[in-house]
Amino acid sequence: DAGVIQSPRHEVTEMGQEVTLRCKPISGHDYLFWYRQTMMRGLELLIYFNNNVPIDDSGMPEDRFSAKMPNASFSTLKIQPSEPRDSAVYFCASSNYRASTDTQYFGPGTRLTVL
Amino acid sequence: RKEVEQDPGPFNVPEGATVAFNCTYSNSASQSFFWYRQDCRKEPKLLMSVYSSGNEDGRFTAQLNRASQYISLLIRDSKLSDSATYLCVVNGNRGSTLGRLYFGRGTQLTVWP
Repeated sequence: DAGVIQSPRHEVTEMGQEVTLRCKPISGHDYLFWYRQTMMRGLELLIYFNNNVPIDDSGMPEDRFSAKMPNASFSTLKIQPSEPRDSAVYFCASSNYRASTDTQYFGPGTRLTVL
Repeated sequence: RKEVEQDPGPFNVPEGATVAFNCTYSNSASQSFFWYRQDCRKEPKLLMSVYSSGNEDGRFTAQLNRASQYISLLIRDSKLSDSATYLCVVNGNRGSTLGRLYFGRGTQLTVWP
């Protein structure tokens, strides 16, 4: 299996622009997670899905952030408009809870810089 | 109180040393426990699961104390390649937190020659 795939790997944008991050989970996994990591705050859970349905979005910082999972093999995290404080590494992870395991597998991350 | 708390370090040890990391968790209902490893500018990766009876994987030994809600990781004969951040992780395991994992802030380890 290819593992969790994220794109782009790096994104540099200007304040006010829309940013879309993409994730393809491991095939067959039923949970998908979006995290943000910064030096100051560590790894923060933003939102997670079970069978394409959002379960908990309480970690989404504000209305500028939105996430969708239109099908089992694709999810997006959108920031509109972006701000410099959104600069961070955004990770997507997936797990196969149906297989009675909580183990999460992370993608390589998207390093976002907002100027 | 945070779900998972661990000493951020940094731990700086020479090659060959033995080093131990500890963490505590707040959710007594947690049933799954892990140590993840994160290299600089990389994603977290599963190092090992932690079982009630304790478990070993080569130079790595993990222990769980449910009564004290305490998890440990022991690394023997440290190698330069062990330099990384080690994240203590527990699951939610109740109601709305099913499927979710809680990550500690991580303990940074540097092994020097």
